[in-house]
This record gives sequence, structure tokens and C-alpha cells, in this order.
Amino acid sequence: LAKTTQPISMDSYEGQEVNITCSHNNIATNDYITWYQQFPSQGPRFIIQGYKTKVTNEVASLFIPADRKSSTLSLPRVSLSDTAVYYCLVGPAAGNKLTFGGGTRVLVKP
Amino acid sequence: GAVVSQHPSWVICKSGTSVKIECRSLDFQATTMFWYRQFPKQSLMLMATSNEGSKATYEQGVEKDKFLINHASLTLSTLTVTSAHPEDSSFYICSATRAGESYEQYFGPGTRLTVT
Repeated sequence: LAKTTQPISMDSYEGQEVNITCSHNNIATNDYITWYQQFPSQGPRFIIQGYKTKVTNEVASLFIPADRKSSTLSLPRVSLSDTAVYYCLVGPAAGNKLTFGGGTRVLVKP
Repeated sequence: GAVVSQHPSWVICKSGTSVKIECRSLDFQATTMFWYRQFPKQSLMLMATSNEGSKATYEQGVEKDKFLINHASLTLSTLTVTSAHPEDSSFYICSATRAGESYEQYFGPGTRLTVT
């Protein structure tokens, strides 16, 4: 499974856009990129998954450049309730084993 | 849909006793269930993978005789921490994948275990 590198923490303010970049230089051809969100003392929650280019859902957007060696999770207009740890994971979609890296602790301030 | 529950949500036990944690998929059949542990301010660490009706596959460094996993049905997996010690105190989280769908894991709310 490809190793991922993310910033340890990020601060933002309500209403701003938050962009978290994840590096995954050793991503394999059949690997997908998946992001999870975790609040304190709760299990992680799936946010978004993509293979290439751009994916958007009601919660976030995921930007993946052509070389797929990195990806950026974009959270539009964050609120205080978006304060959480965000994990970037890389692996085959058909493979269920997940390896969590350190994650990025996002703090949204009023 | 795709709700996973855990019971209990928190438990305190004495050193040397055993504790059982249940993980249930409430509205779907889970082909595979996973058990993770998470220490404060740290990431999730996969402990084992279990498939219904077969023995669990443990990650390197996880003692299978200490962390007993039983996956008796497509909706229930249990983790028993045997002869618990204070260093086993942690947040235990299970997840499940739904039959016919393998890209997303649905996580339970976690169980906080404190061993005194």
C-alpha cells in the first residue's frame, strides 16, 4: 500500500475554503485515493474517493493531477463543525485493507 | 443505510479480566469486518481482518491469543480482549464492507476501553 504524507495540522476560519494536500509518490496504477474524516471519540467517516482529475460531491472536492502523485481535498466554506482529523488513504478500490497515516488535524476558528 | 454499531460504547475493567466488544452491521450484510485500535492523538492501527465463518487475519505484532475475534454471522463480529492490562486501554473501532461493494468501509462509533 502506498505511503501518504499530509500536513500535521491546519488552522482556518469559518467561511473559508480549506485545501489539504496529500503526497503519495508511490501510488500504483490500480490505486484509488480516499479521504476520511474523524471527529474526537468517533469512528472515521468516508468523505470522497477518486482515481484521477476531479471528483465533487455534496461535501468536498478532490483534485488529482495527471501524475497522481498527490491529491488535494477541498472543503468549501468550512464551519466550526468541520474541525476534525482528515485522513488520506491510497489503495486498490477492490482491496479492503486500509492503512491510516497520521492525518491532518484541521481547526476551524470563529 | 450502512450503519455500524458497537457495544458497549465505553467499558472499564480490572486488570486480568476479559472484555468483549460487539460490532454489528445494522442494515446490511458485511462480508468483511475490520478491527482497529487508536491511542490518544494517534492514527488508527489495523489489528485484524475477519470474514464470516473463517478465522481472522491478524496484522503483524497483534497477539491473536490476546485479541480474540469471532465473526459468526454476516452482521456480527466480536473482539474479546483477554487478560486485559492497562496498556490495552485504547479506543477500539470496527468497520465493515458491504456485500457487492468494496471501496468504502463503514465505521462504528468506537468503544473506549479503560483497564484499571
